[in-house]
Amino acid sequence: ELKVEQNPLFLSMQEGKNYTIYCNYSTTSDRLYWYRQDPGKSLESLFVLLSNGAVKQEGRLMASLDTKARLSTLHITAAVHDLSATYFCAVDIRERSQGNLIFGKGTKLSVKP
Amino acid sequence: GAVVSQHPSRVICKSGTSVKIECRSLDFQATTMFWYRQFPKQSLMLMATSNEGSKATYEQGVEKDKFLINHASLTLSTLTVTSAHPEDSSFYICSARDGGYGYTFGSGTRLTVV
Repeated sequence: ELKVEQNPLFLSMQEGKNYTIYCNYSTTSDRLYWYRQDPGKSLESLFVLLSNGAVKQEGRLMASLDTKARLSTLHITAAVHDLSATYFCAVDIRERSQGNLIFGKGTKLSVKP
Repeated sequence: GAVVSQHPSRVICKSGTSVKIECRSLDFQATTMFWYRQFPKQSLMLMATSNEGSKATYEQGVEKDKFLINHASLTLSTLTVTSAHPEDSSFYICSARDGGYGYTFGSGTRLTVV
């Protein structure tokens, strides 16, 4: 059974601090996605990681993928309140030719002044 | 970029009635669309994969007779919740491959069954 595990599930940070969210998965995949969800809203795409060693950065967020370790990280640098949201990682299931995403449980991030 | 339009955004219906949710790919053709359900404070769970011109593929535990999916064209997929009950109240989200490796998500439909 495919498992996508995120940790932590809840993260309370102070503004200006750094932290990392981890996403482990149990199947072979080299496509890993990170999404942001605000309360009552749908998903906003943050990063698409397509190969081992991929690293992408946007503003205060940086994501990386290690397919050998089956691990992706989302690093937050100098957090600000606007980053408060729930962050999901998702793995693309390659065995299904059409592809679909299996999601982690999400990490609810709260950035406090 | 690729856009998936989902309607309605919110719907309240009485128990026992049916509700239809539409998802349209606006600037690309989506031969495959995915339907997810999200309960409060939980993650997204894949319900079914919708294929243009053929039957949908349902995930284990999802009642195909209750959640009717139709993908009649390359730009439109619909999910009908039949004989809705309060336990069907949830946030329903569709998505489609954007032609590359990305997935585009609709804005979601908040269904409340009273």
